[in-house]
Amino acid sequence: NAGVTQTPKFRVLKTGQSMTLLCAQDMNHEYMYWYRQDPGMGLRLIHYSVGEGTTAKGEVPDGYNVSRLKKQNFLLGLESAAPSQTSVYFCASRMGQVYEQYFGPGTRLTVT
Amino acid sequence: QQQVKQSPQSLIVQKGGIPIINCAYENTAFDYFPWYQQFPGKGPALLIAIRPDVSEKKEGRFTISFNKSAKQFSLHIMDSQPGDSATYFCAASRSGGSNYKLTFGKGTLLTVNP
Repeated sequence: NAGVTQTPKFRVLKTGQSMTLLCAQDMNHEYMYWYRQDPGMGLRLIHYSVGEGTTAKGEVPDGYNVSRLKKQNFLLGLESAAPSQTSVYFCASRMGQVYEQYFGPGTRLTVT
Repeated sequence: QQQVKQSPQSLIVQKGGIPIINCAYENTAFDYFPWYQQFPGKGPALLIAIRPDVSEKKEGRFTISFNKSAKQFSLHIMDSQPGDSATYFCAASRSGGSNYKLTFGKGTLLTVNP
């Protein structure tokens, strides 16, 4: 099992450009999460999904959109990137009724 | 409102020392308290977790101490090794309506010198 994978690993965008980050998990987990990690800020929840076709806002959702068309994939979109979105993005997943979240390796995004 | 406060921000110890990282929470509905370990360039990984019905949990060299009345919990690393150098995050969650979301502390960068 690959666990949780993220694509791409690194990306540089110019202000105003758009992009989509892909998260895939092969553990048949119902729940999936997108976090951003900034120095001194810990991990902050952007959006999450409790199942295929459902999404919900987390702590810092502004400027991001998500979609979960397939159970194994969770996409994070930036429609018009801003320098404030420079961060490391982590995806995580977990089974229902189980607390533990499994994290992907992260995507380092720089917006210039 | 920061629901989980973690301290210190950084910590340097010598090999064999016992670093202690502390967390305090506000929401008494939390019922699961994990610690995640993160190495540079990697995603966080669950290290150890505790429920509020016990005061201590040990797994190898890692121990969580939990004080429900004070709403505090801490991570102790016995006989620390250079390989333990990483960032540690405490977190808290509750079952039910919150969908088991994790609320993280801001992290502690631990350096264990040889």
